[in-house]
Amino acid sequence: LAKTTQPISMDSYEGQEVNITCSHNNIATNDYITWYQQFPSQGPRFIIQGYKTKVTNEVASLFIPADRKSSTLSLPRVSLSDTAVYYCLVGERQAGTALIFGKGTTLSVSS
Amino acid sequence: AAGVIQSPRHLIKEKRETATLKCYPIPRHDTVYWYQQGPGQDPQFLISFYEKMQSDKGSIPDRFSAQQFSDYHSELNMSSLELGDSALYFCASSLGISAPQETQYFGPGTRLLVL
Repeated sequence: LAKTTQPISMDSYEGQEVNITCSHNNIATNDYITWYQQFPSQGPRFIIQGYKTKVTNEVASLFIPADRKSSTLSLPRVSLSDTAVYYCLVGERQAGTALIFGKGTTLSVSS
Repeated sequence: AAGVIQSPRHLIKEKRETATLKCYPIPRHDTVYWYQQGPGQDPQFLISFYEKMQSDKGSIPDRFSAQQFSDYHSELNMSSLELGDSALYFCASSLGISAPQETQYFGPGTRLLVL
């Protein structure tokens, strides 16, 4: 399983765009990149998933360069409610395959 | 939309007691996963089931066992509880064969406190 590295913490202000970069140098051909958000004492919440290039949904964008050795989660115009831990996970998408959580990024949004 | 249901939400036990946690997946989901998250820790994978068969196994203690039933709900049985078992236990579910990719959806968790 590819190991991921992401910043331990980030600070931002309301209304700013936040970009969290994750490094995964050993990503395998069949691996997908998935981001989860977790609030204290709640279950992780799926944000976005991608394989290559750019993926966008109503919540975030995910940028993946051609070599796929890193990825960047982009949160547009964050609000106080975006304060949470963000996890980058890399792995195959097969039934029953575990998600391996590394150290996530604690994002703190201030007014 | 229906989400993953876990019961109980809170549980207090004493050392050496047993506990059973239940997970009801999202309707039509055939795969369930169990994760443990200790205080200040990241979620750790315990075990998963796909179509009622064990699929993947992580750092689950021998004192723990789990199974998935014919209606796809799952139970995590924990025996000889230790203080270190105090944690949040999350269940996640997914559709084993889905397009474009499989996504795990997490439940609200069961908070277990062992005294």
